[in-house]
Amino acid sequence: TQLLEQSPQFLSIQEGENLTVYCNSSSVFSSLQWYRQEPGEGPVLLVTVVTGGEVKKLKRLTFQFGDARKDSSLHITAAQPGDTGLYLCAGASVDTGKLIFGQGTTLQVKP
Amino acid sequence: GAVVSQHPSWVICKSGTSVKIECRSLDFQATTMFWYRQFPKQSLMLMATSNEGSKATYEQGVEKDKFLINHASLTLSTLTVTSAHPEDSSFYICSARDGRVKTQYFGPGTRLLVL
Repeated sequence: TQLLEQSPQFLSIQEGENLTVYCNSSSVFSSLQWYRQEPGEGPVLLVTVVTGGEVKKLKRLTFQFGDARKDSSLHITAAQPGDTGLYLCAGASVDTGKLIFGQGTTLQVKP
Repeated sequence: GAVVSQHPSWVICKSGTSVKIECRSLDFQATTMFWYRQFPKQSLMLMATSNEGSKATYEQGVEKDKFLINHASLTLSTLTVTSAHPEDSSFYICSARDGRVKTQYFGPGTRLLVL
């Protein structure tokens, strides 16, 4: 069974601080996606990484896919209250294409 | 990005009735759609994979006779919760896979409350 361990699960920080969320697995994924979800809404895609070692930037968010395509990280620089939400990583199974979700990281950024 | 719609966005029903939820990919064709269930403050739990033109494949522990899935076209999948009970109350989310970019796009979710 493929598992994706996401950490930390809860994070409360002050505005302006930096943070990193990690997703780790012993399995290889064909791609990895990061989503952000607001309460009562569906997850919204932030980025898809496909190539081992790939780095993508989205304003203050930096996403990295591990060289072996087994892990990924999300780094937020100078967090703002608007970054508050649930962040989900999800790896696509090489065999089935199904998404394997991490446990999610609930981020709270205090003004 | 691609858009996936869900209807209805919320529904309240009496115990014993059936509820149908629609999931549509609006600007791409999706041979594969997925149905998830989410409990408060938790991650998404995959219920089943919906394949256009063939039977859905269900995850372990999900009753296929309880949660009927039909993928009638490349842009529409439906989930019917049959004989709903209060324990079926949850947030149901669908996604559609765009094979061109290896990405799943999610619908906005349907909040189901069974009284």
